[in-house]
Amino acid sequence: DSGVTQTPKHLITATGQRVTLRCSPRSGDLSVYWYQQSLDQGLQFLIQYYNGEERAKGNILERFSAQQFPDLHSELNLSSLELGDSALYFCASSVGWGDRQETQYFGPGTRLLVL
Amino acid sequence: EDQVTQSPEALRLQEGESSSLNCSYTVSGLRGLFWYRQDPGKGPEFLFTLYSAGEEKEKERLKATLTKKESFLHITAPKPEDSATYLCAVVGAGNNRKLIWGLGTSLAVNP
Repeated sequence: DSGVTQTPKHLITATGQRVTLRCSPRSGDLSVYWYQQSLDQGLQFLIQYYNGEERAKGNILERFSAQQFPDLHSELNLSSLELGDSALYFCASSVGWGDRQETQYFGPGTRLLVL
Repeated sequence: EDQVTQSPEALRLQEGESSSLNCSYTVSGLRGLFWYRQDPGKGPEFLFTLYSAGEEKEKERLKATLTKKESFLHITAPKPEDSATYLCAVVGAGNNRKLIWGLGTSLAVNP
C-alpha cells in the first residue's frame, strides 16, 4: 500500500458525459501527478500540481482539467468523453519540488470505461 | 529529445533462471532514473531510484545498476511471484522535471 488513495476504482459512463476522479496523496506529500495508461500505450503524463499550483503539463487534452485543493487532495475532471478516453487513470504523489527529483508513489488507479 | 527504450519487450524465464532487463535512455542532464514494477490493472510500485553512473541498489532478488547511457535490472533466481511488467523512467535537467517513461518489459516466470 503506497498511501495514495483514488476513488472511484471503476467508472462506467457514456460518450459525451463528464466524470470526476479523486486522489488523496500520501501524508506529507505536496505534489500530485496524474497519468493515463491505455492498453496499447505506456504511462502518459497529464499534469502535476505542487501545493495547489499547476507545475507541469503533459499530454492533457483541453477537455480534461485538474485542480489541487487546500487540503492537498486533487481532482481530475474529464468532459465530453469519447470512447478513446477509456483507460486506467493513475494519481501519484511525491514529497515536493526539490532540487533532486523525488520518487513518485502511485495510487491503485481508476479504471474508466466509456461506452 | 529525451527518450527511454526498454528491452526486451517480453521475457519468459524458468524459476531460478537469472536474467537482466535493460533500460537505455537519452536525456540531457540526468537527474534520476526510476524502476517500478506493475501488476496487471494495478498502480506501479516503486522499486529503486538511481542518481549517478556507477550507483547500484539491491532489494531481495533485484539489483539495479546505472551507467551514463543505460540501466540494468538484474533478477537473480526469480520466482513466479516476480512476474510483472517492469517500468523504467528518467527525469532530465530540462523538461520541467517530467518523468519520461519506457514501455516496460513484461516478465513471466514459470514454476
